[in-house]
Amino acid sequence: GAVVSQHPSRVICKSGTSVKIECRSLDFQATTMFWYRQFPKQSLMLMATSNEGSKATYEQGVEKDKFLINHASLTLSTLTVTSAHPEDSSFYICSAKEGRNTEAFFGQGTRLTVV
Amino acid sequence: QKEVEQDPGPLSVPEGAIVSLNCTYSNSAFQYFMWYRQYSRKGPELLMYTYSSGNKEDGRFTAQVDKSSKYISLFIRDSQPSDSATYLCASEGGDDKIIFGKGTRLHILP
Repeated sequence: GAVVSQHPSRVICKSGTSVKIECRSLDFQATTMFWYRQFPKQSLMLMATSNEGSKATYEQGVEKDKFLINHASLTLSTLTVTSAHPEDSSFYICSAKEGRNTEAFFGQGTRLTVV
Repeated sequence: QKEVEQDPGPLSVPEGAIVSLNCTYSNSAFQYFMWYRQYSRKGPELLMYTYSSGNKEDGRFTAQVDKSSKYISLFIRDSQPSDSATYLCASEGGDDKIIFGKGTRLHILP
């Protein structure tokens, strides 16, 4: 299957700082990328959908000023957690699709710990 | 009612047994159905991707969709300890948004 690379795989940051997570599609052009959050033993919670060159669409209850998403190219999307707090500690996962009605491939996930 | 329902398990079966994992969905507009496998602290890995009703086989894995009953199944033959993971079913209605079930934790006992 197609490869989606997510970086970093693990990050620890101090409360109040910002953290950027990158998601890259390595062998296809991702017109749509998704960002998810996953708590232990829970399913994936969709945070936002981003299409290349346009603003991300956030799910209800997700603060767009806190979770900044940029999808500047067909192979790269970034999620920036701004002014991180301990409650933002979670597993963040991106996925990417080449177009509508195609498979979505996931990155390896990023474990964020805010101390 | 959630759009995709899945029993979280855990489901424990002996090595070599046939595993049956199931989901139901409520939105008749869903056309595309997926099964993902997720190991602990890893991103989900796509196992099967199917369109509309029918069966799809890939090695030891068979995905089955019955749109009349809104039922999705994944069968694993000759199960192995390395199959122990969480299995997520998912559906897409053509609007690009994928809806996931909660995932079923599967344990294959050696």
